[in-house]
Order: sequence, then C-alpha cells, then structure tokens
Amino acid sequence: NAGVMQNPRHLVRRRGQEARLRCSPMKGHSHVYWYRQLPEEGLKFMVYLQKENIIDESGMPKERFSAEFPKEGPSILRIQQVVRGDSAAYFCASSPRVIVNTEAFFGQGTRLTVV
Amino acid sequence: DQQVKQNSPSLSVQEGRISILNCDYTNSMFDYFLWYKKYPAEGPTFLISISSIKDKNEDGRFTVFLNKSAKHLSLHIVPSQPGDSAVYFCAASGDNQGGKLIFGQGTELSVKP
Repeated sequence: NAGVMQNPRHLVRRRGQEARLRCSPMKGHSHVYWYRQLPEEGLKFMVYLQKENIIDESGMPKERFSAEFPKEGPSILRIQQVVRGDSAAYFCASSPRVIVNTEAFFGQGTRLTVV
Repeated sequence: DQQVKQNSPSLSVQEGRISILNCDYTNSMFDYFLWYKKYPAEGPTFLISISSIKDKNEDGRFTVFLNKSAKHLSLHIVPSQPGDSAVYFCAASGDNQGGKLIFGQGTELSVKP
C-alpha cells in the first residue's frame, strides 16, 4: 500500500509563473489536507478537501491560491503568479476519515523555489 | 496568533540520556495532542498522541505527558538514540477544528553518540 505521493519533489518557478503541486492520497483515503512550511517555521494549515468538495479553506491566502480534489485523480494545489514569498515546502496529508485523534499520513512534500 | 508553541528551537542530548521536548498551547478547546517527527527533506511521521482526558501515554521509549491546568505537554524519549535526531513537532486538534492540525514551530533534537 503506497503512502501519500506528492510530485514533483522539487519545483523551481520564476516570479509570475504558475505552480501546480499534486498529491495522491493513500488508497482508500478520501480526505486531503494541505500544509505549508515556511523556512524556520512549523507547518501551517491551508485547506481541507474531500472528493470534489472544499471543506475548509480558512488557511488559504485570499488571492492566487486554489485547490481541488476531483473525483478522479490527485488533489492539486495551484499557485498563480508566484512570488518569492511563496517559496516553501508544501505537504499534503490524507486520511480515511476526518482527522481528529487519529494520525494523518503525510507525503514527502514539494519544495517550491521561486527565483 | 500562535496557539501551539515550542519555545526551544533546539536541544542536544547525549546518547542514552533522556530527551524532554516541551510544548505549550493556549486553546483550552483542543481535545487531542500529537507529536510528529521529521527528518530533512521528508514529510512528518506520526509518533505518539494523547487525548485531553488523559495525562500520560506511553509507547516504548516515548512517553507524552499532558498538564491541562498548565496547558503544557512534553515528550520524553528514554533512552535517547542517535537515530532520534530529527525535528519534533507537537500538534493539537479538536472536534471543533474540523480535522486540521495546529502545529508548533518544532524543536530540533540532536542526540550525540
């Protein structure tokens, strides 16, 4: 049973380009959470999705960021017109149910560098 | 507003001794607390958790203590091993958090042989 798969592992974008980060949850998991880790900081919640639905996007920046989790395929975190401050590690976690007292399974992350 | 705080960015311990990592929180509505371990260039991996109705949970070399009145939890690793060297994050969640985890800033543990 493969773990949570994120790709690409590393992504370099020039300012103004678009970044698309993909997350394939573990088999049987229909809940996906995206987190961002800025340098020297902890992980910050961005968005929680279930299949075809955004449940909680309270941690998403108001502009340029969007997320989806279609019926088929991976969850996508899209960042339009990237800026240097978007450089960070982006992690997704998946769960078969709402994560409360059970652990979340994290992917290895995508490290975005904006040059 | 940092609801979960880890005030020690780093900790160095000799192999075989005890490592104590601390975490403070401000939201009394949190129901669960979790510790994650993270190696460089990898995602966090779950280590141990504790419910707010308990004050201690033990799993092998790892024990988590919860002091609700002080809003403080700690992770004890005994005995510490060089392979324990990593960044440790505490996280909190609750029934009213919709499943999201609130993370502390992390403590980098270095266990020296």
